[in-house]
Amino acid sequence: NAGVMQNPRHLVRRRGQEARLRCSPMKGHSHVYWYRQLPEEGLKFMVYLQKENIIDESGMPKERFSAEFPKEGPSILRIQQVVRGDSAAYFCASSTTPTMNTEAFFGQGTRLTVV
Amino acid sequence: GENVEQHPSTLSVQEGDSAVIKCTYSDSASNYFPWYKQELGKGPQLIIDIRSNVGEKKDQRIAVTLNKTAKHFSLHITETQPEDSAVYFCAASTPGGADGLTFGKGTHLIIQP
Repeated sequence: NAGVMQNPRHLVRRRGQEARLRCSPMKGHSHVYWYRQLPEEGLKFMVYLQKENIIDESGMPKERFSAEFPKEGPSILRIQQVVRGDSAAYFCASSTTPTMNTEAFFGQGTRLTVV
Repeated sequence: GENVEQHPSTLSVQEGDSAVIKCTYSDSASNYFPWYKQELGKGPQLIIDIRSNVGEKKDQRIAVTLNKTAKHFSLHITETQPEDSAVYFCAASTPGGADGLTFGKGTHLIIQP
């Protein structure tokens, strides 16, 4: 059973471009969470999705950021018109139930660098 | 919302000694407390967790204790080994809170040979 798969592992974008980060949850997991990690910082919650639904996006900036988890395929975190401040590691986690009940498994992350 | 404080930010111990990392949380409704280990360039890996109906949990050299009254929980690693060197994060989750886990800022554990 493969773990949580994220790609790409590293992504370089120029200011103003779009970044697309993909996350395939573990098999059988229908709950997906996205977190952002700045250097020397903990992980900050961004958005929680279930299949075809955004459950909570309270941690995600209102502008330029969007997320989806379609019926088929991976979850996508999309950042439009990237700025230098978007440079960070973005981690996806999945679980079988909301994380208040069971453990969440993290992917290896996508390290976004905006130049 | 929940706020999790973690300390120390850096901890250096001699190989074979014990290491203790402490966290406090603010929301008394939180009931799930996992600990994650993150190695350089990798994603966080769950190493142990505890729920609020339990005061202590142990798994080989790793143990976690929870004091609900004081709202703090701790990670204990005994007989430390070089491979224990990593960044450790505590987290808390609140029932009914759909916003996932709230993480501490992490502790960089260094095992001195």
